[in-house]
Amino acid sequence: DGGITQSPKYLFRKEGQNVTLSCEQNLNHDAMYWYRQDPGQGLRLIYYSQIVNDFQKGDIAEGYSVSREKKESFPLTVTSAQKNPTAFYLCASSPGGRETQYFGPGTRLLVL
Amino acid sequence: GENVEQHPSTLSVQEGDSAVIKCTYSDSASNYFPWYKQELGKRPQLIIDIRSNVGEKKDQRIAVTLNKTAKHFSLHITETQPEDSAVYFCAASSEEKLTFGTGTRLTIIP
Repeated sequence: DGGITQSPKYLFRKEGQNVTLSCEQNLNHDAMYWYRQDPGQGLRLIYYSQIVNDFQKGDIAEGYSVSREKKESFPLTVTSAQKNPTAFYLCASSPGGRETQYFGPGTRLLVL
Repeated sequence: GENVEQHPSTLSVQEGDSAVIKCTYSDSASNYFPWYKQELGKRPQLIIDIRSNVGEKKDQRIAVTLNKTAKHFSLHITETQPEDSAVYFCAASSEEKLTFGTGTRLTIIP
């Protein structure tokens, strides 16, 4: 998991603002994932990508968007349509869809 | 889609005793079952995993068992230590993604 980085560690969003969370991996993994974790809760899948230039919605995709232009990068945009964005966001990668996922250190998003 | 249920949600055990966390899954096509440990404010870290062609796997004080017929799997931690205190998540893999349980907060009492 040392090969996955997320930035920033903390992010503050104002009302009506879009913000983008970065996720980069140097593990040569094909698959990448975004999860949202609320306090005391489990991990809920937002979006995932099995290959470059392709991605699928997870269980809670509304108000979020992603891109996968490079194998190493899978940025997540939290749009103004996401009315309750305060959470801990975790990015993960794996060699393939049914393989071990390795997590980045996370980004904590707070609303001003 | 897959549905994973995890019990209990909280568990307290005396140091040195054993802890058991149980999960059930719904999709018979799931074939990979990892367990993650998450300490407060940190990322989840894989502690052990099992594939559907194996019934049990051990790694020092940690073991996982899988019953495919009943569609349930369990995490066993023996000789618990204070550093085992954390939240533990089970997961099941189907449709090229993992579905996670809701987590178990394990507290080891010194």
